[in-house]
Amino acid sequence: ELKVEQNPLFLSMQEGKNYTIYCNYSTTSDRLYWYRQDPGKSLESLFVLLSNGAVKQEGRLMASLDTKARLSTLHITAAVHDLSATYFCAVDGPGYALNFGKGTSLLVTP
Amino acid sequence: GAGVSQTPSNKVTEKGKYVELRCDPISGHTALYWYRQSLGQGPEFLIYFQGTGAADDSGLPNDRFFAVRPEGSVSTLKIQRTERGDSAVYLCASSRLAGVSYNEQFFGPGTRLTVL
Repeated sequence: ELKVEQNPLFLSMQEGKNYTIYCNYSTTSDRLYWYRQDPGKSLESLFVLLSNGAVKQEGRLMASLDTKARLSTLHITAAVHDLSATYFCAVDGPGYALNFGKGTSLLVTP
Repeated sequence: GAGVSQTPSNKVTEKGKYVELRCDPISGHTALYWYRQSLGQGPEFLIYFQGTGAADDSGLPNDRFFAVRPEGSVSTLKIQRTERGDSAVYLCASSRLAGVSYNEQFFGPGTRLTVL
């Protein structure tokens, strides 16, 4: 059974601080996706990581992928309130389904 | 361009009733997916269409759930004899698939189904 595990599941951090969200998965997939979900809203695609060592950055968020360790990280730099949301990682398969983690609920406080 | 759209946004029904949820994918996307998201959980895969046919329905929980995509565009998820446990947000997504090496899926706003 394919497993996708995120930690932490809940994260409260102060504005200006840095933190990392971890995503471990059990498949040999080399493609990993990060999504953001605001309360009551749908999922917004953030990053698509396609190979071992892939790194992508957008604003204060940076995602990386280590396929050998089956680990992806989402690093938050100098957090701001607008980053408060739930972040999901997902991997392909089997087939074309995406398998999601339970999500990390991030709250950025003043 | 327009994103994935879903109707209705909210549906309240009584136990035992039949419901239909509609999804209109991004124009040009050949692949369409249905997921179900319960509170505090990530989306769970239900069914995937490539064109008009259901290429993978392994995620459907039981035979009360059925989905169609007759013309390869709009899809309808149908739930018979609804149960309280069916209450969740039903998400639809679409992706290009053809001509790309990855499967970035774009999600609609979801339909929140409440079974009383």
